[in-house]
Amino acid sequence: DVKVTQSSRYLVKRTGEKVFLECVQDMDHENMFWYRQDPGLGLRLIYFSYDVKMKEKGDIPEGYSVSREKKERFSLILESASTNQTSMYLCASSQGGVGELFFGEGSRLTVL
Amino acid sequence: DQQVKQNSPSLSVQEGRISILNCDYTNSMFDYFLWYKKYPAEGPTFLISISSIKDKNEDGRFTVFLNKSAKHLSLHIVPSQPGDSAVYFCAASARYGGATNKLIFGTGTLLAVQP
Repeated sequence: DVKVTQSSRYLVKRTGEKVFLECVQDMDHENMFWYRQDPGLGLRLIYFSYDVKMKEKGDIPEGYSVSREKKERFSLILESASTNQTSMYLCASSQGGVGELFFGEGSRLTVL
Repeated sequence: DQQVKQNSPSLSVQEGRISILNCDYTNSMFDYFLWYKKYPAEGPTFLISISSIKDKNEDGRFTVFLNKSAKHLSLHIVPSQPGDSAVYFCAASARYGGATNKLIFGTGTLLAVQP
């Protein structure tokens, strides 16, 4: 069974802290994605990667960075967390070409 | 600019009746469309998809219709069940670079199926 695992389901951080969100997939997928979900705004793409050490900006990359050192792992980094980054963060993976995304269960981040 | 729009934030339907969820898109280059279902505190799960070369795809109680000229797709659920109560996201694929597909999501529609 396919699996995308996000390291933390719930996090509470303070403004200015550095935050790491980890995501691991076990399907040998080439592509990995980070989205955030906010009420009324749907899912918005932050960053994605189609290969190891490759990354591409999505629609809302400001305030975020990513790292993909291994094919199965894609990390989202908030260098200095702000309250407007309070959100549900969703990691996903997919195989090359036209294909569906497989999502993790999400990480609910609250920045105080 | 919202390329994929779901204009109904919520929908309430009686159990056993048909649920129709709508989605509009603006980018004529989109060639693959998907519907995802999301329960609270869980990640979205894939429901059904359709390629732009088709106008209908059916899977059990779920049917997706695509009207390319109107840039409109809809998801029909018949008969609706209480377990279908969830947020439904429409998504469209936009090819980027090599073989990667970047999905653009709509804002979602909350479906409530009343027993």
